[in-house]
Amino acid sequence: DAKTTQPNSMESNEEEPVHLPCNHSTISGTDYIHWYRQLPSQGPEYVIHGLTSNVNNRMASLAIAEDRKSSTLILHRATLRDAAVYYCILRDYGGNQFYFGTGTSLTVIP
Amino acid sequence: EAGVVQSPRYKIIEKKQPVAFWCNPISGHNTLYWYLQNLGQGPELLIRYENEEAVDDSQLPKDRFSAERLKGVDSTLKIQPAELGDSAVYLCASSASGTGNTGELFFGEGSRLTVL
Repeated sequence: DAKTTQPNSMESNEEEPVHLPCNHSTISGTDYIHWYRQLPSQGPEYVIHGLTSNVNNRMASLAIAEDRKSSTLILHRATLRDAAVYYCILRDYGGNQFYFGTGTSLTVIP
Repeated sequence: EAGVVQSPRYKIIEKKQPVAFWCNPISGHNTLYWYLQNLGQGPELLIRYENEEAVDDSQLPKDRFSAERLKGVDSTLKIQPAELGDSAVYLCASSASGTGNTGELFFGEGSRLTVL
């Protein structure tokens, strides 16, 4: 019941920007878009979330399409520490249901 | 502030043996989750608690898996008897209810189970 589609893997050069896409064509009006990432041998960690407007925080930016059927996680300057699996998740507002898909495995090339 | 604590980090058992995992969520977090993660896959929800109540256990294989969250704080996940296919990482997560549009999940490091 993941409701999101992401590429299985992506590569980026170190210090280059990275754009990680996510499709969620069945998103409802009350679904928030969350991004988590999972470093090797660790549990997932929160990256960013948004509803309609683009969002920025110290880790990343989230660009949400006007029709909300897709979004993009932007890492402005990839570092080797950003190599991880990135998950795009929909969460109903007020609900506590988080369903993970298979995510995108990001490789950062030195 | 301490994060979500899980134990043991690693467990190796023979098939048909029982095993239990323990999770201590972040203080004050009402919602607790147990996820199973197979190699190369995303986490799959097993059960979600709101305080002491299991509100979503539809994916928990109840013939061999059981979970409890006494007093709405710590939780244990048990498998009895374990099968080879249960080899995976078991992740615990917690979140604070009433966070409105935040709902950030905090995960522990996981318990890696190997069934021989």
